[in-house]
Amino acid sequence: DIVMTQSPLSLPVTPGEPASISCRSSQSLLYSNGYNYLDWYLQKPGQSPQLLIYLGSNRASGVPDRFSGSGSGTDFTLTINRVEAEDVGVYYCMQPLQIPPTFGQGTRLEIK
Amino acid sequence: EVQLVQSGGGLVQPGGSLRLSCAASGFTSSDHYMDWVRQAPGKGLEWVGRSRSKFKGYTTDYAASVKDRFTILRDDSKNSVYLQMNSLKTDDTAVYYCVRLGTNSATGTGGWFEAWGQGALVIVSS
Repeated sequence: DIVMTQSPLSLPVTPGEPASISCRSSQSLLYSNGYNYLDWYLQKPGQSPQLLIYLGSNRASGVPDRFSGSGSGTDFTLTINRVEAEDVGVYYCMQPLQIPPTFGQGTRLEIK
Repeated sequence: EVQLVQSGGGLVQPGGSLRLSCAASGFTSSDHYMDWVRQAPGKGLEWVGRSRSKFKGYTTDYAASVKDRFTILRDDSKNSVYLQMNSLKTDDTAVYYCVRLGTNSATGTGGWFEAWGQGALVIVSS
C-alpha cells in the first residue's frame, strides 16, 4: 500500500495569515497521463469530509480560490493564502492512484 | 443536486451483521463508481471498498481488513448502494460514509471522492 505522510499534524493559524500543509507519498503519484493522483479533503467539525483539490492542483466546484494545491511525484502542498475562521477542521491528503486508496493522518487546523 | 442519503447504522453484537444503505439522488448511481469509507471514533479516514459502475460490471474491491466479511451491493431500481457487513468485530466500530467518485471524460481521469453521504454510525459491542 502507498503510505501518505502529512505534516504538521497540528496547525494553529492567525486569521488572515497564510497556511500550508505538506503531504508525502511512499511512491510517485505521477501517472503516465501526466496527472498527479493526489487529492485534498477538509473535514469540518461534525461534518462529512468534502473535496477541496483533485489531481494535485484542481479546485473542486465551489471551493474558494484562497485554496491551492501544488507539487508532483511524491511531494505535495496545500496552501491557504489567507486563513478564515470557517477553514477550521482536519485536512487530509489522499492518493486514488492505487487500490487501496490511502489517506494521510490528517492535519488539524485551528484558529489562534 | 447530487445527494447521498445514508441509513441503517446502529448497535450490533460482535459476530453479528448489519446492512447500510446509501440512496442516491440527482444522478444515476449505476453510472458511477461508488466507495465506502469509514472513520473510527477520533481517528482518521480508512477506505473500505469499491463498486465500479454498471459499465465496468459492478466489479468490487475491498480493504484487506474487511475482505470476505463485507460486500457492496447495488439496486438500480432504487438508485441505491448497500454495504452488507457480516462477522462484525469491535474494530469495525466507526462512522461509515458512502462516496461517489468523480470523473472527467474530457481528460480521461477520475478517482477523486467528490460527493459524500452524511455518515452512519456503527457500534459493535456486547
